[in-house]
Amino acid sequence: AQTVTQSQPEMSVQEAETVTLSCTYDTSESNYYLFWYKQPPSRQMILVIRQEAYKQQNATENRFSVNFQKAAKSFSLKISDSQLGDTAMYFCAFMNIEKLTFGTGTRLTIIP
Amino acid sequence: NAGVTQTPKFQVLKTGQSMTLQCAQDMNHNSMYWYRQDPGMGLRLIYYSASEGTTDKGEVPNGYNVSRLNKREFSLRLESAAPSQTSVYFCASSTELSTDTQYFGPGTRLTVL
Repeated sequence: AQTVTQSQPEMSVQEAETVTLSCTYDTSESNYYLFWYKQPPSRQMILVIRQEAYKQQNATENRFSVNFQKAAKSFSLKISDSQLGDTAMYFCAFMNIEKLTFGTGTRLTIIP
Repeated sequence: NAGVTQTPKFQVLKTGQSMTLQCAQDMNHNSMYWYRQDPGMGLRLIYYSASEGTTDKGEVPNGYNVSRLNKREFSLRLESAAPSQTSVYFCASSTELSTDTQYFGPGTRLTVL
């Protein structure tokens, strides 16, 4: 079974700074997908970014980018120029043919 | 375009009561899912429907039943609620199973006393 590990339960950073959230996963498969979802206090799960394992290029969405290291099974999320609205729980998730598996989340607080 | 909608937003039940959580999507997605989220844990899959007319068990199906009413709607039923089913429930949908991004509803907070 696949596992997803987020080793940082909580993080905080000053507004406008850059922060990196870590995620590692365990799989024997070569073809899969990775996601970061954001869950603000409203509880809504919002897609932040998606990465296909067969693509070597790291995905980028505006201020959000990933560092995908397939051999190391690592998928970190970098948030640049952090904003107060980035305060949320962030979940890393792994998807294969069976299902979407979530990590336990990192609570990120942006400090004004 | 509302995306994925869920009703109700909040519900309190007594042990042994039954209820149905409703989910609908307007994105013409084939696949739909039910998850539960407990404190300190990520989302766990309860049931899913790869396409209209099919349903399958996920990681934690015990105590639940589902119905894929049509392509748009996927309901989750608790026949005899237990305190262990206190959780936040999310419905999600995607174009296809296993390869496409899942989009989530706003969740239902359920408390079983």
